[in-house]
Amino acid sequence: GDSVTQMEGPVTLSEEAFLTINCTYTATGYPSLFWYVQYPGEGLQLLLKATKADDKGSNKGFEATYRKETTSFHLEKGSVQVSDSAVYFCALTAWYSSASKIIFGSGTRLSIRP
Amino acid sequence: KAGVTQTPRYLIKTRGQQVTLSCSPISGHRSVSWYQQTPGQGLQFLFEYFSETQRNKGNFPGRFSGRQFSNSRSEMNVSTLELGDSALYLCASSLSDSIQETQYFGPGTRLLVL
Repeated sequence: GDSVTQMEGPVTLSEEAFLTINCTYTATGYPSLFWYVQYPGEGLQLLLKATKADDKGSNKGFEATYRKETTSFHLEKGSVQVSDSAVYFCALTAWYSSASKIIFGSGTRLSIRP
Repeated sequence: KAGVTQTPRYLIKTRGQQVTLSCSPISGHRSVSWYQQTPGQGLQFLFEYFSETQRNKGNFPGRFSGRQFSNSRSEMNVSTLELGDSALYLCASSLSDSIQETQYFGPGTRLLVL
């Protein structure tokens, strides 16, 4: 079945470091891809999304490109801040039996040191 | 525009009891999905409702049920609670059930079963 695999955490970086969180997916058809972020004690918030191959989603300095050839949607940021500390979830949505469903990766906890 | 609201935010129950959680979607959103989040299992899809109809269901026992009202508000019910039902229950709404739509999450209801 369809699935999302993201890198294991936790990931600990110093402020202003470059960030990459890997995400690969398995899907039949043409899914949409998302990155969500969860701050402590809160629900998930959409960070960025891409709905077709080669689309680049971007928000708050984060970027991810929908790569169909490598079935990947890696999250990157050039210079992280302490406020970026959170759990990041990669997800895909696709059609299943005439209804849409979202599948989440296991989440990657990111901690940024001042 | 108000976000997704969930009530109650925290709940403590004992084994064998039942519980009802409520979710009010963003105004105009017709799709509501429910998720269970635990440290061990991550985010797991429970079910999705669109225009009062259950469109999709995850792999949860029949003790978990839900419904959606004509105003798109949704409730989920868990009967005969077990210790393993302790989790953060997240509700998300979207405009439609298109796979390109963003899901907007509420802050969750944290359920503790003793």
